[in-house]
Amino acid sequence: DAGVIQSPRHEVTEMGQEVTLRCKPISGHNSLFWYRQTMMRGLELLIYFNNNVPIDDSGMPEDRFSAKMPNASFSTLKIQPSEPRDSAVYFCASSFLIGYNEQFFGPGTRLTVL
Amino acid sequence: GENVEQHPSTLSVQEGDSAVIKCTYSDSASNYFPWYKQELGKGPQLIIDIRSNVGEKKDQRIAVTLNKTAKHFSLHITETQPEDSAVYFCAAMGSNDYKLSFGAGTTVTVRA
Repeated sequence: DAGVIQSPRHEVTEMGQEVTLRCKPISGHNSLFWYRQTMMRGLELLIYFNNNVPIDDSGMPEDRFSAKMPNASFSTLKIQPSEPRDSAVYFCASSFLIGYNEQFFGPGTRLTVL
Repeated sequence: GENVEQHPSTLSVQEGDSAVIKCTYSDSASNYFPWYKQELGKGPQLIIDIRSNVGEKKDQRIAVTLNKTAKHFSLHITETQPEDSAVYFCAAMGSNDYKLSFGAGTTVTVRA
């Protein structure tokens, strides 16, 4: 298996632009998580899905952030409009089942907002 | 919500020596404690985990201990090797939700 796939790996954009991050979970995994990693705040859970349904989005920082999972093999995290403070590494992770199961992380998308 | 504290933030050890990283958590309902290793430019990778019904778990050179009464758990790496150099994160998951709360991370450097 190729593991969790994220694209793009790097994104540089200007303040005010829309940014869309993409994730393909491991085939057969039923849960998907979006995390953000910064030096100041560490690893933070933004939102997670179970069977394509958003379960908890309490970590989404603002209404500028939105996430979708239209099917079991694809998810997006969108920031609109982007701001410099959104600069971070965004990770997608998936697990076979929700709960006490290993979460497999993707390689991340490094976002820089100028 | 859950609050996980991790110490030390950096750790430098001589190759062959042991490394110990300690974490505390705040929510007594938490019952799943994984440890992740993150190498430069990569996503975190699970190296070992422990559940609340177990006090200790070992996998080759890596071991984790859990003290539920004191609400702390530790990672022990024995016979460290240069490839053990990385950032290590502890995490805790409660029984009421399925969200992992991560510690701030420990940068481990193994000196040859």
